[in-house]
Amino acid sequence: QKEVEQDPGPLSVPEGAIVSLNCTYSNSAFQYFMWYRQYSRKGPELLMYTYSSGNKEDGRFTAQVDKSSKYISLFIRDSQPSDSATYLCAMINQAGTALIFGKGTTLSVSS
Amino acid sequence: NAGVTQTPKFQVLKTGQSMTLQCAQDMNHNSMYWYRQDPGMGLRLIYYSASEGTTDKGEVPNGYNVSRLNKREFSLRLESAAPSQTSVYFCASSEPSQPQYFGPGTRLLVL
Repeated sequence: QKEVEQDPGPLSVPEGAIVSLNCTYSNSAFQYFMWYRQYSRKGPELLMYTYSSGNKEDGRFTAQVDKSSKYISLFIRDSQPSDSATYLCAMINQAGTALIFGKGTTLSVSS
Repeated sequence: NAGVTQTPKFQVLKTGQSMTLQCAQDMNHNSMYWYRQDPGMGLRLIYYSASEGTTDKGEVPNGYNVSRLNKREFSLRLESAAPSQTSVYFCASSEPSQPQYFGPGTRLLVL
């Protein structure tokens, strides 16, 4: 089983839709969880950062962590064409020395 | 405040040639990282430097060497490029166990 699993999509939604992006992970020791957004031909950009379980909201974005299920989610409300990108989940490894990434979900929001 | 910068942006090499990818950060971070990103494989860690003066292998170190020149700069060297090293290379920096911040990437094509 891979350490981090993420559905690659692609996911296509109309403008204004609520988007749900998800990752599962296998190592219960992970404590720090991130979501990155990557536009085509650009570097990953940190979007959300959460520690342990719970929710964190930032504008139209909400990150959710359920450690009991080893499941993390990113919700995007009122999605915009500018949200079209690849979204990568990531977790800090046990040693704190590196990020373990999901392979990314490609999102397309049409106007 | 430029964040993480990488040079060059794009490079074409012939098999067997060598080159050095340069990375610099101005966020005073202790840790720096080199990743490669390939279609279907996601981001994979090549080498990292937890602090100035130290370097360690990541998931895919074969064929690469690194130098942590000072706190700001971390270079990646390909001694004898192979077509399998065709990829997009990203440098990142962070404080230990904190989210990483990525550069814009170097696209490398090895013929």
